[in-house]
Amino acid sequence: ELKVEQNPLFLSMQEGKNYTIYCNYSTTSDRLYWYRQDPGKSLESLFVLLSNGAVKQEGRLMASLDTKARLSTLHITAAVHDLSATYFCAVDYSPQGGSEKLVFGKGTKLTVNP
Amino acid sequence: DTAVSQTPKYLVTQMGNDKSIKCEQNLGHDTMYWYKQDSKKFLKIMFSYNNKELIINETVPNRFSPKSPDKAHLNLHINSLELGDSAVYFCASSRFVGPGNTIYFGEGSWLTVV
Repeated sequence: ELKVEQNPLFLSMQEGKNYTIYCNYSTTSDRLYWYRQDPGKSLESLFVLLSNGAVKQEGRLMASLDTKARLSTLHITAAVHDLSATYFCAVDYSPQGGSEKLVFGKGTKLTVNP
Repeated sequence: DTAVSQTPKYLVTQMGNDKSIKCEQNLGHDTMYWYKQDSKKFLKIMFSYNNKELIINETVPNRFSPKSPDKAHLNLHINSLELGDSAVYFCASSRFVGPGNTIYFGEGSWLTVV
């Protein structure tokens, strides 16, 4: 069974600083997604990474995927308060004999302080 | 227009009751899902339907019964509610089942069983 681990689970950072959130997964997959969730709200799709070496950037966020290391990173550049949210990675997984499904990490709660 | 809409948004009910959550998507997607987010924010898939056909049924108690009258709707009926059913239930949809497939989430239904 696929395990998806994010770290850190909680991240408090100052505005203007850089930081990276890590997402490790236990079984081969070359499809990984990042979502953002604001408190009491739904999940918003941020990035879809479909191949080894994929890198995508949107504003202050950049996501990358290394399928050999089974690792994705979400890098935050010059954080601003608006980025405060919980960030989830999710891995597309097809268990043997089963249907494809998304398995989520536990989320990283990011707080950006002024 | 909300792409994936669920009702009700908030539901407080007593143990032992039966309740339903309705979901509709207007994106023309073929695949719909139910996810459960527990009190620790952990997200897990419950069910997935493709063109009204059940394709994923995780280890969910059979008190939970999804129903898809057409591919734009996926309702969730829960019998004999228990305290542990308290969670946020997210409906979601995607164009198809397969790689590179962005899943769009509804706003969530906050269920509290007392």
